[in-house]
Amino acid sequence: QVQLVQSGAEVKKPGASVKVSCKASGYTFTSYYMHWVRQAPGQGLEWMGIINPSGGSTSYAQKFQGRVTMTRDTSTSTVYMELSILTSEDTAVYYCARVSRPFKPFDYWGQGTLVTASS
Amino acid sequence: SYVLTQPPSVSVAPGKTARITCGGNNIGSKSVHWYQQKPGQAPVLVIYYDSDRPSGIPERFSGSNSGNTATLTISRVEAGDEADYYCQVWDSSSDHQRVVFGGGTKLTVL
Repeated sequence: QVQLVQSGAEVKKPGASVKVSCKASGYTFTSYYMHWVRQAPGQGLEWMGIINPSGGSTSYAQKFQGRVTMTRDTSTSTVYMELSILTSEDTAVYYCARVSRPFKPFDYWGQGTLVTASS
Repeated sequence: SYVLTQPPSVSVAPGKTARITCGGNNIGSKSVHWYQQKPGQAPVLVIYYDSDRPSGIPERFSGSNSGNTATLTISRVEAGDEADYYCQVWDSSSDHQRVVFGGGTKLTVL
């Protein structure tokens, strides 16, 4: 069965970086795009960007340009999302979610990773 | 940038029909997907391409999309339907395709 398993919760100081992983299983890793979506406490869903695991190409939401980097490791079927220069406003649950191609819906989501940015 | 507008909350009695709207400029020309999110859980797809239901989603869930409004309809509402609901589209108006979510609607079952 399809599974997206994310890394555990992180606590970081403001100004630091965080790297969250999402390990895929149960399907052909390179056949599905992976997106990252975050959700601040009590708030809605916010799209961060997309990575194509096949070639590694990425596209980021303008809000995160210059601060986010998405990468993948095809040998372990894992995608990574690194967010730098953290502030308290980056405190959120971060989800990975897969889609087969543009305009399709997100059919599977990771369980979420809580990132807390606090001094 | 493309904006989707949802009412913050909708309340309905058990057994009645809930309608959650998602407004956007000419949204009827786009495909709308809907997700249900319960506290502490990841979102779950309940309607895709305006009105299609994934396997395992009850027939009580349906969707429509026309003009400037898409609607998620939940018939014979049950206590277990209480959750946050988000609409989502793909926006191709800029140089790159990007994903847009509505602000979410909290469905309360009275």
